[in-house]
Amino acid sequence: GEDVEQSLFLSVREGDSSVINCTYTDSSSTYLYWYKQEPGAGLQLLTYIFSNMDMKQDQRLTVLLNKKDKHLSLRIADTQTGDSAIYFCADLVDSSYKLIFGSGTRLLVRP
Amino acid sequence: DAEITQSPRHKITETGRQVTLACHQTWNHNNMFWYRQDLGHGLRLIHYSYGVHDTNKGEVSDGYSVSRSNTEDLPLTLESAASSQTSVYFCASTRARGDTQYFGPGTRLTVL
Repeated sequence: GEDVEQSLFLSVREGDSSVINCTYTDSSSTYLYWYKQEPGAGLQLLTYIFSNMDMKQDQRLTVLLNKKDKHLSLRIADTQTGDSAIYFCADLVDSSYKLIFGSGTRLLVRP
Repeated sequence: DAEITQSPRHKITETGRQVTLACHQTWNHNNMFWYRQDLGHGLRLIHYSYGVHDTNKGEVSDGYSVSRSNTEDLPLTLESAASSQTSVYFCASTRARGDTQYFGPGTRLTVL
């Protein structure tokens, strides 16, 4: 079946940029998503990118997609302590509504 | 405002008992999903529904069932709870393929 992988942990200093990486195996992926989960809460959609795009920018967030290498990244500029959370990459399985999630990257922002 | 709610938020039960977790959405979305979240596994799909009376198995459906009698609700039933089903359960809904999946706040289930 399709798979999505992420590194488990990232620690950055406040004000630095954070880059969270994700790889996926779905060769027919059409939509890729980044979700944020704060402690004790559900998942909140941060941004998404269509597979025919290389980059998408939304305020402090930049998503880069390398479709050839099946690699997705999320860059958070000027990372703040409020950005500390778990970030999930998700792939929309072709011809369905199902999302395949990575195991999540825990981002810790140090003051 | 439209929303998706889950109840209860926390549940402790014993092995062998039947448990039902509720999910209710007010967006009038046809598509609803149940996931479980475990350390090291991210979210895994249990069951999903594309509309009333439609249900489908996800990747970890053993021991779980769902029913869809109306658009707003997709209850998840654990027929005979097992300790391996201790997890956090999330319900989600979406209007159409590619649209945002909206997640509920989750239910933390402990099976003793």
